[in-house]
Amino acid sequence: EPEVTQTPSHQVTQMGQEVILRCVPISNHLYFYWYRQILGQKVEFLVSFYNNEISEKSEIFDDQFSVERPDGSNFTLKIRSTKLEDSAMYFCASSGRTVAKNIQYFGAGTRLSVL
Amino acid sequence: GEDVEQSLFLSVREGDSSVINCTYTDSSSTYLYWYKQEPGAGLQLLTYIFSNMDMKQDQRLTVLLNKKDKHLSLRIADTQTGDSAIYFCAESSGNRDDKIIFGKGTRLHILP
Repeated sequence: EPEVTQTPSHQVTQMGQEVILRCVPISNHLYFYWYRQILGQKVEFLVSFYNNEISEKSEIFDDQFSVERPDGSNFTLKIRSTKLEDSAMYFCASSGRTVAKNIQYFGAGTRLSVL
Repeated sequence: GEDVEQSLFLSVREGDSSVINCTYTDSSSTYLYWYKQEPGAGLQLLTYIFSNMDMKQDQRLTVLLNKKDKHLSLRIADTQTGDSAIYFCAESSGNRDDKIIFGKGTRLHILP
């Protein structure tokens, strides 16, 4: 069964460093998303991406964050200068957006630890 | 704004039925979902229901939707130890570019 793949599974970084979280969405999907889950809190929407541009972003997704689809398969989330409060599990999701469907499939997540 | 609420814990004896409840606030919700998260794992889509349906059954899973009361439930029949996980209720709306709004999750604990 096709799945969303995220790498790495765990990323440890120093405060102020840049990190790139990588995702390979399901191959025929058109819509891509990033969510995050701070330990013990809700899963929160960060950004959606379609047709090589951001469709929607939340208040969390400030200028420190960016997304890119550098080639036909990868979808990345970059945090330019990490803060302690960026420590969270980051989930990538994709959906195919067939008629009357918006079923998002999630990857296993990347745990980001900012020290 | 949009919100999804669910109880945080549920304990059920193995073999019994588990019922996890959820309420949501957005009357324009189009899809309602149940996701399962096992320890250290990602979010697995268990099932979903379109807002014009009242019920959906899939093997041991039954989803009930009361749109008037904005109440969603997930029933797991014959609960097994492998069902131990956190279950997230979630919703999306075509008006919001389909971002999914999640509840905090219900941790299901199975008693022997």
